[in-house]
Amino acid sequence: GQQLNQSPQSMFIQEGEDVSMNCTSSSIFNTWLWYKQDPGEGPVLLIALYKAGELTSNGRLTAQFGITRKDSFLNISASIPSDVGIYFCAGQSDGLPDDKIIFGKGTRLHILP
Amino acid sequence: EAQVTQNPRYLITVTGKKLTVTCSQNMNHEYMSWYRQDPGLGLRQIYYSMNVEVTDKGDVPEGYKVSRKEKRNFPLILESPSPNQTSLYFCASSSYPYYHRLGDNEQFFGPGTRLTVL
Repeated sequence: GQQLNQSPQSMFIQEGEDVSMNCTSSSIFNTWLWYKQDPGEGPVLLIALYKAGELTSNGRLTAQFGITRKDSFLNISASIPSDVGIYFCAGQSDGLPDDKIIFGKGTRLHILP
Repeated sequence: EAQVTQNPRYLITVTGKKLTVTCSQNMNHEYMSWYRQDPGLGLRQIYYSMNVEVTDKGDVPEGYKVSRKEKRNFPLILESPSPNQTSLYFCASSSYPYYHRLGDNEQFFGPGTRLTVL
């Protein structure tokens, strides 16, 4: 079945550093989504991307829909302590039944004091 | 306030003792879904429902049941829980299952239910 490969699995960074994570697949997707999960909470949508090549920002977050439609990345600039959490990519494609979305395994972001 | 609520938030039970995790949304959403989250495996869909009385299996439905008798509620039922069902469970809802540029179709997640089966 279709799978999303999300990397890295975890990151340890210093406050103020920029962060980059990505998601790839061997399949084409029509929509890419990026979620953040705070400790003890459910995932919350950060950015949705609908068109190949699209670059969208949400504050310090920037995400891009890859030209090949098989990948997406999320950048966080000037990280702050509240950026800690798990980031999930998710994709939706015509090949999935009932327009369901599938999730990557997540990138756990740690910020060192 | 628009939200998805789940109960209980935490549950420790024993193998074989039937349990139900409730999920309710107040946004009049048609589409509801259950996921489980396990370390290293991300979020995997268990069951979903396109509308009242319409349910279908997700990726990992074995050992679970659901029902959708009312639009707002989508309970997850474990008839005979086993230790491999120890996990963090999320309910989610949205207007439609698919995303489109017109937006207003975000999938909202509940706060999660942490289940331990001994």
